[in-house]
Amino acid sequence: ETGVTQSPTHLIKTRGQQVTLRCSSQSGHNTVSWYQQALGQGPQFIFQYYREEENGRGNFPPRFSGLQFPNYSSELNVNALELDDSALYLCASSRASGEQFFGPGTRLTVL
Amino acid sequence: KQEVTQIPAALSVPEGENLVLNCSFTDSAIYNLQWFRQDPGKGLTSLLLIQSSQREQTSGRLNASLDKSSGRSTLYIAASQPGDSATYLCAVGSGNTPLVFGKGTRLSVIA
Repeated sequence: ETGVTQSPTHLIKTRGQQVTLRCSSQSGHNTVSWYQQALGQGPQFIFQYYREEENGRGNFPPRFSGLQFPNYSSELNVNALELDDSALYLCASSRASGEQFFGPGTRLTVL
Repeated sequence: KQEVTQIPAALSVPEGENLVLNCSFTDSAIYNLQWFRQDPGKGLTSLLLIQSSQREQTSGRLNASLDKSSGRSTLYIAASQPGDSATYLCAVGSGNTPLVFGKGTRLSVIA
């Protein structure tokens, strides 16, 4: 059984640029959740996708958007990057409301 | 709004000591509670999942308890080892709502 994978591992962007982060969910999981973790903080919920539809959103502006594909993999897109977007972005997959399994994360640095 | 607090924020213990990490949450209407381990700059590794109907879960040297009525959970680590050094995160889930995390406890086990 393949675990949750994320790409890229690290990314450096400048303010105003756009970024796309990718996540492959664990086999058999139809739900993907994205979290942002700033240094020294717990992860904060961005949004969740269930069967290709957005199924909940945290307190993040519209420049954070996402997609889920028929194979349940997912993308997180962030437009007009700001310095405060620098963080570890975590993806988690699950079966509906079951236990969530996290990927290794993508470290985004915005200069 | 659910809030999760973890005490202490940091803990340093000598190798071999038993220790307890604490987690409290404000809304007792939870579906489950998960304890995670996070190594620096890495993703989250699920340690234990306790369903709301359960009182505790055990895995090896780890034991997690849940008292929904008082809004508390503890993670007990027996015979600590230097390899246990990491940040431990507690998160509560409420069905289809996303996980709400505490800020974590940073544990250092000194050889």
